[in-house]
Amino acid sequence: EVQLVESGGGLAQPGGSVTLSCAASGFTFSSYSINWVRQAPGKGLEWISYISGSGSIIYYADSVKGRITVSRDNARNSLFLQMNSLRAEDTAVYYCARETIEAPLLDVWGKGTTVTVSS
Amino acid sequence: IQLTQSPSFLSTSVGDRVTITCRASQDISTYLAWYRQEPGKAPNLLIYAASTLQTGVPSRFSGGGSGTDFTLTISSLQPEDFATYYCQQLHSYPITFGPGTRLEIK
Repeated sequence: EVQLVESGGGLAQPGGSVTLSCAASGFTFSSYSINWVRQAPGKGLEWISYISGSGSIIYYADSVKGRITVSRDNARNSLFLQMNSLRAEDTAVYYCARETIEAPLLDVWGKGTTVTVSS
Repeated sequence: IQLTQSPSFLSTSVGDRVTITCRASQDISTYLAWYRQEPGKAPNLLIYAASTLQTGVPSRFSGGGSGTDFTLTISSLQPEDFATYYCQQLHSYPITFGPGTRLEIK
């Protein structure tokens, strides 16, 4: 079964950092770009990052640029998102989503991991 | 590229026909997708290239439009369709989503 599973969420302090993981299974991980999308409580979807299959191309949204680093380990079928200088507005469910080879369509999503930034 | 959706909320009934509109701030040809998000779940891809149904998506869903104006139509609402729908442009990065349209049971 094609699957993405996020982990690493939880309660974090303002100004602190968090590292999220996304574990992939059921497909050739290195062939696919992966995006991170987040959703604040009761709000819509916000794209925050893209990483190509090889990891050589990375994009970040302006709202998080300078505070996040995305990387991947294709040998371990895993993706990582590190976010620093956390703010209350970073509180959200964080999803990793597979992008189709043909276009930036997000055809497989994980269930998400929740990050709550609060003192 | 900014996306707007209308309506933002709709109270409807099982069996109703519903059309949701998405408007882009610039011409995106047919580089548009639609997702459905049920409460507490991740989004699910419904339609891409403005009008192509993703594999496994029921035929009651259809999409149309090009350029800046797009529609998602559900021909006969089923209980699982009471959810929030998002359009997404895939013309260029950064990927952007519309603000969503929530369908509620009347």
